[in-house]
Amino acid sequence: AQSVTQLGSHVSVSEGALVLLRCNYSSSVPPYLFWYVQYPNQGLQLLLKYTTGATLVKGINGFEAEFKKSETSFHLTKPSAHMSDAAEYFCAVSETGNQFYFGTGTSLTVIP
Amino acid sequence: NAGVTQTPKFQVLKTGQSMTLQCAQDMNHEYMSWYRQDPGMGLRLIHYSVGAGITDQGEVPNGYNVSRSTTEDFPLRLLSAAPSQTSVYFCASRTRQGAYEQFFGPGTRLTVL
Repeated sequence: AQSVTQLGSHVSVSEGALVLLRCNYSSSVPPYLFWYVQYPNQGLQLLLKYTTGATLVKGINGFEAEFKKSETSFHLTKPSAHMSDAAEYFCAVSETGNQFYFGTGTSLTVIP
Repeated sequence: NAGVTQTPKFQVLKTGQSMTLQCAQDMNHEYMSWYRQDPGMGLRLIHYSVGAGITDQGEVPNGYNVSRSTTEDFPLRLLSAAPSQTSVYFCASRTRQGAYEQFFGPGTRLTVL
């Protein structure tokens, strides 16, 4: 069965500090992995995705994530937080591309 | 391109009423899906469709019906609304090929009294 665990429902960082949002997944086959961002009262927007190939994936707005099969993790990072990064972030997994499973989300607060 | 559009944006129903949430996309995407978002639970898949005439259940299908008569439209029907269906509903679409990136609509906020 597929599932996603996001550790930390709320994360606060200072502006300019490292952002680290954690995601662990469960999958019986090599999965497709995604990070989405949701700003207040909006839909979800894709930040980045891992399908095959290079395990370090770069996305929009300076975010990147590394697929670590041995740790079943896909943590999202950004070297320097910006005020505009404040949002809800969701990790998602899919084995087939039909059924997608989302984590419960992490709300990121950026402190000026 | 308008992308994925959803109507209405807000809706209040009484228990037992029925309604249809509309979703349309103009990207010629074969795959469309419906999710509900509840606090602390993330997004959960309700139903999805891989093409016109083909639908399948997701993680939480009970109480919802869907149909897909055209590539563009994928309505979600609540036959007899219950308070447990109070949620924010998102429609999404993607192409069948490629890296499975989904494009999400702006959502419909539904309250069932």
